[in-house]
Parts: sequence; structure tokens; C-alpha cells
Amino acid sequence: DGGITQSPKYLFRKEGQNVTLSCEQNLNHDAMYWYRQDPGQGLRLIYYSQIVNDFQKGDIAEGYSVSREKKESFPLTVTSAQKNPTAFYLCASTSLAGGYNEQFFGPGTRLTVL
Amino acid sequence: DAKTTQPNSMESNEEEPVHLPCNHSTISGTDYIHWYRQLPSQGPEYVIHGLTSNVNNRMASLAIAEDRKSSTLILHRATLRDAAVYYCILRAPGSSNTGKLIFGQGTTLQVKP
Repeated sequence: DGGITQSPKYLFRKEGQNVTLSCEQNLNHDAMYWYRQDPGQGLRLIYYSQIVNDFQKGDIAEGYSVSREKKESFPLTVTSAQKNPTAFYLCASTSLAGGYNEQFFGPGTRLTVL
Repeated sequence: DAKTTQPNSMESNEEEPVHLPCNHSTISGTDYIHWYRQLPSQGPEYVIHGLTSNVNNRMASLAIAEDRKSSTLILHRATLRDAAVYYCILRAPGSSNTGKLIFGQGTTLQVKP
């Protein structure tokens, strides 16, 4: 089945630790995105990547880092510099080929800082 | 990106139609109107999109006002599985090279049996 997978589903972190959230897609999509969602709020864009080995900051990139070494993978690292990392993290991807292309989302990772 | 305004919440009875409104008074002539929905504890999913004409698909219909300053997502027969947060999003065609979406807070739809 084609789709986006995120792991783990739940993640607990102690303060001061870096953690990496995995996002993989087998849809052959060009672009990938990371969003953060706080309770009762909409999604906010953290980082996005249109092509391998390139990525851009979104609206709330501080305290996060990403890499895009393979087309299929776009891991997100939540660093200790992120002051309030407890949130629901969503990864998405889309094709950038001609015409309209919807974004496909993964099931999300719920991160809790203890 | 142009802004959208949606009611925070709406209620519907099961098997009745639901009309979810969205105002986008600052929409430009080339902005597409998109709707996504997010079921509890899941990632959002695409529902429908349009530019000027009304659109229908298997999930819903999209009615776009003639001046394009508002639109309405129509669920023809709400089911309990339609209870979700519905997001109305504008995305300029110039952002097709990035595919970025800007989410607001959306409308939380409750469906009563």
C-alpha cells in the first residue's frame, strides 16, 4: 500500500534531550512537510522540502532541524532548544508535478516532554 | 497568504445535510479554495478544492460564491464518521512549486445520532 508512515506513534522525552521523529513515504512525492499541532489549534508549518538535499524553514522552525538525504525520508529532530516541544507532529507529502496535487498526511507522532 | 474565517463549531443531526461556511474576502483572482478535514487524533485528509465553479466529488460538494469571497462545503448526508475539524484553506497557484498549505483553526463539526 502506498502512503506515509510516521514513527513512533507516541514519544516521551526528558527535558534537555534531542529526539528524532521519522517520516517515510512511498508515494514518489517530491515535497515533504512537517507540521506541529497544539491542542485545539490548527497546524503550523515547521519545515518543508521540495527536493532532496534542500529544505526551507516554515513559520516555527526554531528549535527544530531536518534533513532530506533521500526522496522517501524526511526526519525531524526536536532539539533541546525547543522550549515547549509537547505537541502532535504531522508529516505530509505531495507531488509537485503539473495540476492540482493534494497533500497526504501521516498518522502523526504525539511527543510529550516529561 | 489570504486569510479565511470559519465558525469555531457546528452541530448536525445524522443523515441530514451540513453546510460549512468559509469567508475569504481577501481572496485573489488566482487563489484556489481547498478543504481538508481532520478526524480525532489523525492527520488531515483532502476533501475537495475549487477555483470558480461549484465542484462535486464522492465526499462532498463545494459551492463558491459568484464574487468568490465566500464558499460553502456541503456534506449531503452527515454520518457519525463525518465528525471532524474542517479546514478551509487558500493557496495561491504561485505556491504550487512548494505546495505549502496555511491552516487556520477550522470548524469542529459534531454529528448527533
